[in-house]
Amino acid sequence: AQTVTQSQPEMSVQEAETVTLSCTYDTSENNYYLFWYKQPPSRQMILVIRQEAYKQQNATENRFSVNFQKAAKSFSLKISDSQLGDTAMYFCAFMASGTYKYIFGTGTRLKVLA
Amino acid sequence: GAVVSQHPSRVICKSGTSVKIECRSLDFQATTMFWYRQFPKQSLMLMATSNEGSKATYEQGVEKDKFLINHASLTLSTLTVTSAHPEDSSFYICSAGTSGRAANEQFFGPGTRLTVL
Repeated sequence: AQTVTQSQPEMSVQEAETVTLSCTYDTSENNYYLFWYKQPPSRQMILVIRQEAYKQQNATENRFSVNFQKAAKSFSLKISDSQLGDTAMYFCAFMASGTYKYIFGTGTRLKVLA
Repeated sequence: GAVVSQHPSRVICKSGTSVKIECRSLDFQATTMFWYRQFPKQSLMLMATSNEGSKATYEQGVEKDKFLINHASLTLSTLTVTSAHPEDSSFYICSAGTSGRAANEQFFGPGTRLTVL
């Protein structure tokens, strides 16, 4: 069975600074996808970034980038130039290829301080 | 694109009544829809997976007779909480996936807050 672990329940960062959220996972699958979702106070789940396991290059989306270490089963999210609007709950998610089912981590609550 | 709506966004009902929540994919055909439950400050817990035209697959521990799921078309799935009780109060989120576009990704609705008095 796959598991996803987010070891940081809460984090805070100063506006304009950089913060890294950790995520590790456990799986015996070789083909899978990894995601970071943001859930702001509105509770709407917003996709931040996704990574295909077969791609060695780390995904980037503007201020958001990941450090994907397949051998270590690690998938951290780096947020650069943090903005107040980044304040939210962040969930790491795993999906084995072909299953269409997400396995979510427990989340990290990020607060960006002015 | 890839918009999923939920209705209602918020509902309050009396204990013992049934409540229906609708989940619609507005601009794509959802071959698979998922229903999640989220308690305050916790992660999303998958309740069931439904494929259009077939019976839903429930996760372990989820009562299928209490949480009725219908996925009658490629754009609509409904979750009915039957004989609701205060412990069913929660935030319910649906998501939709399709094999044709952005495969291996789910698109989430905005959620429904259910309060059972």
